[in-house]
Amino acid sequence: KNEVEQSPQNLTAQEGEFITINCSYSVGISALHWLQQHPGGGIVSLFMLSSGKKKHGRLIATINIQEKHSSLHITASHPRDSAVYICAVVLRSGAGSYQLTFGKGTKLSVIP
Amino acid sequence: IAGITQAPTSQILAAGRRMTLRCTQDMRHNAMYWYRQDLGLGLRLIHYSNTAGTTGKGEVPDGYSVSRANTDDFPLTLASAVPSQTSVYFCASSRTSGSSNEQFFGPGTRLTVL
Repeated sequence: KNEVEQSPQNLTAQEGEFITINCSYSVGISALHWLQQHPGGGIVSLFMLSSGKKKHGRLIATINIQEKHSSLHITASHPRDSAVYICAVVLRSGAGSYQLTFGKGTKLSVIP
Repeated sequence: IAGITQAPTSQILAAGRRMTLRCTQDMRHNAMYWYRQDLGLGLRLIHYSNTAGTTGKGEVPDGYSVSRANTDDFPLTLASAVPSQTSVYFCASSRTSGSSNEQFFGPGTRLTVL
């Protein structure tokens, strides 16, 4: 079983809609990352969360540590938001370092 | 160089050949990582390095080796490529290996093993 589950796998929205992407995980974590992968393949980090909520422009990320759940929200969606959004949790490895374990991603398409 | 770069951008390779994927960062980051991304499986960690001179195995290390002779470079070598190693490979780096550090990703190398 994948330790990180994202939903939905695919999402199509009309421009201007409010979008929510969910991430659930099954183990205790140190932190959680949201990443964006553009259609050309490049990956950029959007947020790193260990508690509460963060906002950057039209993007909002929340995390509930007790419920092992995080959400990424996009307000007033735009076609340029079309991308794959990836949730990754930070697990402590046996060697004492911290490594990312990734969800499979949510493919978002925003239609004009 | 600005950020993290990978070479080559793409490569087609015959099975059994040796191949080294290059990764260089100019951010003086201590930690570096190699991931592979396969359809339906997401990103998986191959090898990592917390600091120059040290390396460790990730989730899928078999068939791959790495070295970290200096801070900037983290090459990934396939000693004898097999078709199952066809994938997109991403190198990443972070300031340290701590839990709160953002990872910066290279543009990826698309590798096809025939």
